[in-house]
Amino acid sequence: KAGVTQTPRYLIKTRGQQVTLSCSPISGHRSVSWYQQTPGQGLQFLFEYFSETQRNKGNFPGRFSGRQFSNSRSEMNVSTLELGDSALYLCASSKDLNTGELFFGEGSRLTVL
Amino acid sequence: GENVEQHPSTLSVQEGDSAVIKCTYSDSASNYFPWYKQELGKRPQLIIDIRSNVGEKKDQRIAVTLNKTAKHFSLHITETQPEDSAVYFCAARDSGTYKYIFGTGTRLKVLA
Repeated sequence: KAGVTQTPRYLIKTRGQQVTLSCSPISGHRSVSWYQQTPGQGLQFLFEYFSETQRNKGNFPGRFSGRQFSNSRSEMNVSTLELGDSALYLCASSKDLNTGELFFGEGSRLTVL
Repeated sequence: GENVEQHPSTLSVQEGDSAVIKCTYSDSASNYFPWYKQELGKRPQLIIDIRSNVGEKKDQRIAVTLNKTAKHFSLHITETQPEDSAVYFCAARDSGTYKYIFGTGTRLKVLA
């Protein structure tokens, strides 16, 4: 069974640009959540999608957005990039909302210059 | 707002000693508390979890305890080994929204 797949794994952007990150959950998993990981800040929750609907949203500015498709694949977009957006963006999937375990992808490492 | 505090941020122990990581949560509606281990350059992986109707859970060398009244939960690793070196994250999940809030992580170093 394939794990959670995130693309691209690494990317470099400049300030003001935008970026789209993709996440393919484990087959059969309907919930996808996104986290920003930076040194010292742990895993900060961005948003969660279930059956194409955003169920929860973290405390990030509107420049951060996401969506989920009918096949449960998810994308997140960051517009007008800032230096502080440099981070590892992790996607996690779970079978349902009430299922305990989150399965994480390897992340997309974004560097903003 | 919802918050999970995790201590210490770094922890160094001698191989064979025990390690304890503590977390405190603020949301009374939290009912599920997982612990994730993230080795260097790898994805976080679940190592143990506990639900609010249980006070303690053990799996070989790792155990988790939960004090609902104090809103504390802790990870205990006994007989530490070099392969236990990693960053450990605690989390609390809200029973209504199913939203996870993670702690800031503890970097554990097991010295051989």
